[in-house]
Amino acid sequence: GQQVMQIPQYQHVQEGEDFTTYCNSSTTLSNIQWYKQRPGGHPVFLIQLVKSGEVKKQKRLTFQFGEAKKNSSLHITATQTTDVGTYFCAGDRTDSSYKLIFGSGTRLLVRP
Amino acid sequence: DAMVIQNPRYQVTQFGKPVTLSCSQTLNHNVMYWYQQKSSQAPKLLFHYYDKDFNNEADTPDNFQSRRPNTSFCFLDIRSPGLGDAAMYLCATSREGAAQETQYFGPGTRLLVL
Repeated sequence: GQQVMQIPQYQHVQEGEDFTTYCNSSTTLSNIQWYKQRPGGHPVFLIQLVKSGEVKKQKRLTFQFGEAKKNSSLHITATQTTDVGTYFCAGDRTDSSYKLIFGSGTRLLVRP
Repeated sequence: DAMVIQNPRYQVTQFGKPVTLSCSQTLNHNVMYWYQQKSSQAPKLLFHYYDKDFNNEADTPDNFQSRRPNTSFCFLDIRSPGLGDAAMYLCATSREGAAQETQYFGPGTRLLVL
């Protein structure tokens, strides 16, 4: 069945270091969305990428959608303690254009 | 502010005792979803309503049911909770059932089964 995997599962960084999480889909996606979930919180939408090769930036966060629209990455420059949380990518399911399949998530811990 | 509201935030129930979780939204979105999220896992879709149309996921246990009496409210009923049903239950909405729609999540209800 359709799968969306993320690596790494966990990442523990020193504040100020960079962080990257990678998302890989078993199928071609029409779009990829990224959500952040703080500890004890709920997923919050960060961004959506639609075009092949698209790159979007939000302050220290850079999001990229692969040329084949099967992979994506989120890069955080100079992490801060406020970046702590789990980052999920989510793509459209093959059986439905609007239902999402979530990646396995990458949990980011930041040492102050 | 428009939002997705879930009550209660924490729910404790006994093994086998029916429990209902509620979700309301002020976004006037057509689609409402219920997800189950266990510790360190991704949210897992249980079912959703597209307006009044109910759509169940193939692997959602019969123990889980849902009601949507109107656009604003949606309920998750667990008929006979088992220990394995302890989880965070997330309600989400999207404006339409269309490709590339963003989902807006409520704060979740954490269910504990004793």
